Amino acid sequence: QSVLTQPPSVSGAPGQRVTISCTGSSSNIGAGYDVHWYQQLPGTAPKLLIYGNSNRPSGVPDRFSGSKSGTSASLAITGLQAEDEADYYCQSYDSSLSGPWVFGGGTKLTVL
Amino acid sequence: QVQLVESGGGLVKPGGSLRLSCAASGFTFSDYYMSWIRQAPGKGLEWVSYISSSSSYTNYADSVKGRFTISRDNAKNSLYLQMNSLRAEDTAVYYCAREARDGSHSDYWGQGTLVTVSS
Repeated sequence: QSVLTQPPSVSGAPGQRVTISCTGSSSNIGAGYDVHWYQQLPGTAPKLLIYGNSNRPSGVPDRFSGSKSGTSASLAITGLQAEDEADYYCQSYDSSLSGPWVFGGGTKLTVL
Repeated sequence: QVQLVESGGGLVKPGGSLRLSCAASGFTFSDYYMSWIRQAPGKGLEWVSYISSSSSYTNYADSVKGRFTISRDNAKNSLYLQMNSLRAEDTAVYYCAREARDGSHSDYWGQGTLVTVSS
């Protein structure tokens, strides 16, 4: 059971827009801690996709965007492409746990 | 460019030990906190441990506290994870990751090394 809750899977057709939610609580996202997103392509290591709720590292297309509100955050992907098919993880900080970082369980994005 | 290359994974029996290494290049290693994050087969990500840039501070997940030890050698640009009293539930791909300057997330990850604990 992950501290941050994500839907196990989402899907969309090429060109469409999909969103992935990440729900936390008052000890993590709701406490004001930033949310970060990682993309894990099949058989590869995770890669930073969004940091500080809505910032894109250099090289990440602007088709990817992030937002945060209350105890939740969202990752939006517009103009869906086949190469976006991957697992996506959210991550934040939790003040109630001994370890600093907590992750969502991950969401598998399927491009139809 | 930033590169992180893990090594040292393999098959080990329950109760055994293993030492993972991570060779860093492309940045000033001694300026950054570093972490180990693992991923059990078919599962999500789990933060394991971090170490400060000068080794002054370390922290561990409850699941590995007392069994794993993180260390680094800034002269060799290397990060280590000594894993003792290994259990089946420690089976995972272990990633070495560089922490961002603000310590809130990892901005670069290695390719990972697989640790399998089985008799």
